[in-house]
Amino acid sequence: QVQLVQSGAEVKKAGASVKVSCKASGYSFTSYGISWVRQAPGQGLEWMGWINTYNRNTNSAQRLQGRVTMITDTATSTAYMELRSLRSDDTAVYYCARHISAGPYYFDYWGQGTLVTVSS
Amino acid sequence: DIQMTQSPSSLSASVGDRVTITCRASQGIRNYLAWYQQKPGKVPKFLIYAASTLQSGVPSRFSGSGSGTDFTLTISSLQPEDVATYYCQKYDSDPLTFGGGTKVEIK
Repeated sequence: QVQLVQSGAEVKKAGASVKVSCKASGYSFTSYGISWVRQAPGQGLEWMGWINTYNRNTNSAQRLQGRVTMITDTATSTAYMELRSLRSDDTAVYYCARHISAGPYYFDYWGQGTLVTVSS
Repeated sequence: DIQMTQSPSSLSASVGDRVTITCRASQGIRNYLAWYQQKPGKVPKFLIYAASTLQSGVPSRFSGSGSGTDFTLTISSLQPEDVATYYCQKYDSDPLTFGGGTKVEIK
């Protein structure tokens, strides 16, 4: 069965970086895109960006460009999202989500979420 | 970028009521719209794609409609297990923007 298992909770200082992993199993990793979505406490879903796991091309939300990097390790079927220069308003649950195919689409499976807390 | 606006932001209805949630795109997105349900403390769940096609296993009381800029999610007979926040998402092109969400509660 399809599973996306994310790394554990993180506590970071403002200005630091965080790297969240998302290990996929149960399907062909390079046949489906992966998006990253975050949710601040009590807030809605915010799409951060996505990676084409076949050619590793990425596209990120304009407000995060320059701070976010998305990569994959096809050998381990793992996607990574790094967010730099953390601020208090980056405190959120971060999700990875699988696209229904290789391109930019909707998401059929989600990781369990990773809480990132940024303290000043 | 195209903005996605949901209304209302919250609603309260009785069990058995018909509930309608609206999602409006600032520009046309054809039918490239998905709906998700997020129950409190849980991961979002995919409900509908192509504006009106139910994902397998989704109860038939859920339905979606619309095309272009105006879309609706309807729950024909609200059940206690439908308490959740519902989000629309465009996927015609990047960015894959979500609407702000609609919180559905039982009166």
